[in-house]
Amino acid sequence: KAGVTQTPRYLIKTRGQQVTLSCSPISGHRSVSWYQQTPGQGLQFLFEYFSETQRNKGNFPGRFSGRQFSNSRSEMNVSTLELGDSALYLCASSPSGGSYEQYFGPGTRLTVT
Amino acid sequence: QKEVEQNSGPLSVPEGAIASLNCTYSDRGSQSFFWYRQYSGKSPELIMSIYSNGDKEDGRFTAQLNKASQYVSLLIRDSQPSDSATYLCAVKGDYKLSFGAGTTVTVRA
Repeated sequence: KAGVTQTPRYLIKTRGQQVTLSCSPISGHRSVSWYQQTPGQGLQFLFEYFSETQRNKGNFPGRFSGRQFSNSRSEMNVSTLELGDSALYLCASSPSGGSYEQYFGPGTRLTVT
Repeated sequence: QKEVEQNSGPLSVPEGAIASLNCTYSDRGSQSFFWYRQYSGKSPELIMSIYSNGDKEDGRFTAQLNKASQYVSLLIRDSQPSDSATYLCAVKGDYKLSFGAGTTVTVRA
């Protein structure tokens, strides 16, 4: 099976702009989660979607939003970018069921200047 | 108190030795625990999952879980230079994983 894919892999944006990141989960996986990884804060949970419904959201400002489509693909959007939003954004997919093993994509490296 | 805490490291071990990584968690109701390996510049890779008290072995890796003590560990036996990476402990919560800060392991040839 193909793994989790994320596009784009690298992105440079200017403060105040907005950005949309895309994630395609492993075939058959219906849960998609997003994480932000920075050297100072480590891996921080952003949100989780299952069957187009957001089931949980982390402690991030409303500028961070996401959605999931009927084919399980997901997007996250960050509006009014700040310098502190520079990070590696990781998407992870998980099959339905209780184990919740998550498999990560390669990530999108976002740099805000 | 952080949800998931790991021994800070870095941890340097000689090739062939055992690397021991520790993790504690705060939510006593947690039932699912995972270890991820992350090479520099790469994304985390799932290497072990454990759900029951006791040991679980997979090749050179052994995960140990003690729910009463809220403690998870990972042993890497016969450490190889290719094991040099950051190891992340993760604990399942409500539709999310909470991660520790990670322990960086360096295996000296």
